[in-house]
Amino acid sequence: DTGVSQDPRHKITKRGQNVTFRCDPISEHNRLYWYRQTLGQGPEFLTYFQNEAQLEKSRLLSNRFSAERPKGSFSTLEIQRTEQGDSAMYLCASSLAGTGEQFFGPGTRLTVL
Amino acid sequence: LAKTTQPVSMDSYEGQEVNITCSHNNIATNDYITWYQQFPSQGPRFIIQGYKTKVTNEVASLFIPADRKSSTLSLPRVSLSDTAVYYCLVGGSGSGNTPLVFGKGTRLSVIA
Repeated sequence: DTGVSQDPRHKITKRGQNVTFRCDPISEHNRLYWYRQTLGQGPEFLTYFQNEAQLEKSRLLSNRFSAERPKGSFSTLEIQRTEQGDSAMYLCASSLAGTGEQFFGPGTRLTVL
Repeated sequence: LAKTTQPVSMDSYEGQEVNITCSHNNIATNDYITWYQQFPSQGPRFIIQGYKTKVTNEVASLFIPADRKSSTLSLPRVSLSDTAVYYCLVGGSGSGNTPLVFGKGTRLSVIA
């Protein structure tokens, strides 16, 4: 399978703990996006990269959130001092410059107790 | 980015054609219209994209009137496996390289 992969698929953590998610995009894609989706809502944009450069961050991305894409390939999204409101599905997508489609991974479902 | 309005939910029987209409009155000149499909516990999947008139692929057709203030996604002969949430998005200049802005989508339920 050469699609977008995310790890882990599920994460349960206690409030106040730090969590890190990984996304592996389709190998030739230079753009990588992170979205968050809560129940009954559409995905909301968090941040995106072109190669290793972080181009934009949403206002939703508080200073407890940080994302990296150190070598322009995989990306990590870290949430520090998790809160119950962080419980959501975290989706990663990738795209190739000049094309009209973003490819989404299966998501990481985070539950903060 | 242009705001979109689409029905919250729709029901259909298997084998019928389903048309989901999306309103986007404030669409900009360089905005494209894109539809995504999402199954439970999965990421969204691109269905179709268009700028004007009609676009057809192996999955769906997209009809866009001349004023581009609305669009209609047409799914021919739906099956139970088409039960999903369908999102209409505008923007991105057709490149797919800008962050997508999703609304709440239309929840389609296909009944046997």
